[in-house]
Amino acid sequence: DGGITQSPKYLFRKEGQNVTLSCEQNLNHDAMYWYRQDPGQGLRLIYYSQIVNDFQKGDIAEGYSVSREKKESFPLTVTSAQKNPTAFYLCASSIPQGTNYGYTFGSGTRLTVV
Amino acid sequence: AQSVSQHNHHVILSEAASLELGCNYSYGGTVNLFWYVQYPGQHLQLLLKYFSGDPLVKGIKGFEAEFIKSKFSFNLRKPSVQWSDTAEYFCAVNLWEGARTTDKLIFGTGTRLQVFP
Repeated sequence: DGGITQSPKYLFRKEGQNVTLSCEQNLNHDAMYWYRQDPGQGLRLIYYSQIVNDFQKGDIAEGYSVSREKKESFPLTVTSAQKNPTAFYLCASSIPQGTNYGYTFGSGTRLTVV
Repeated sequence: AQSVSQHNHHVILSEAASLELGCNYSYGGTVNLFWYVQYPGQHLQLLLKYFSGDPLVKGIKGFEAEFIKSKFSFNLRKPSVQWSDTAEYFCAVNLWEGARTTDKLIFGTGTRLQVFP
């Protein structure tokens, strides 16, 4: 079955460390997205990519970095510069505009800084 | 900046009660509208979406939503809720700028629904 795989499901990080969250899709979708979900704040866009080797900052990109070297993969690095990294991170993908437009989400990674 | 407001943060209902969750957006142009649901321990999934045409949209599991352009609203409704509808519900909007959409969704803060038997 096609879908989005996020790994790991739970991740613990020490303060001052960088950590990379994996997101892989086999849906042949062009666009991929990273959102951060916090209680009471909904989903906020971190980065998105509409094509390989290109990506744009979302609303809360500070302290995060991404790469898009392959269509299937869009890893997110949470750097030590991110002041409050403990959150639930969601990856999504979508096809371009059209009547079938909409996101498919992964199951998420819960990051905790200890 | 464009935004999506969900004023009901936490809704508690008994089974068989009717449900209406509010969603308002702030954008004067053309929009695509979505409702997503996140059941406990599961990933976000699409309930329904509106692109154009009939403003009353029917989705999965008996949910429907009505787009009222003059009120910038896209409220979610269900005539009779079940215990299995306990979940978090997110409204989202995709903006059209010129001849194309921005290809990214703006989400509301979510509404947590608890249904008791």
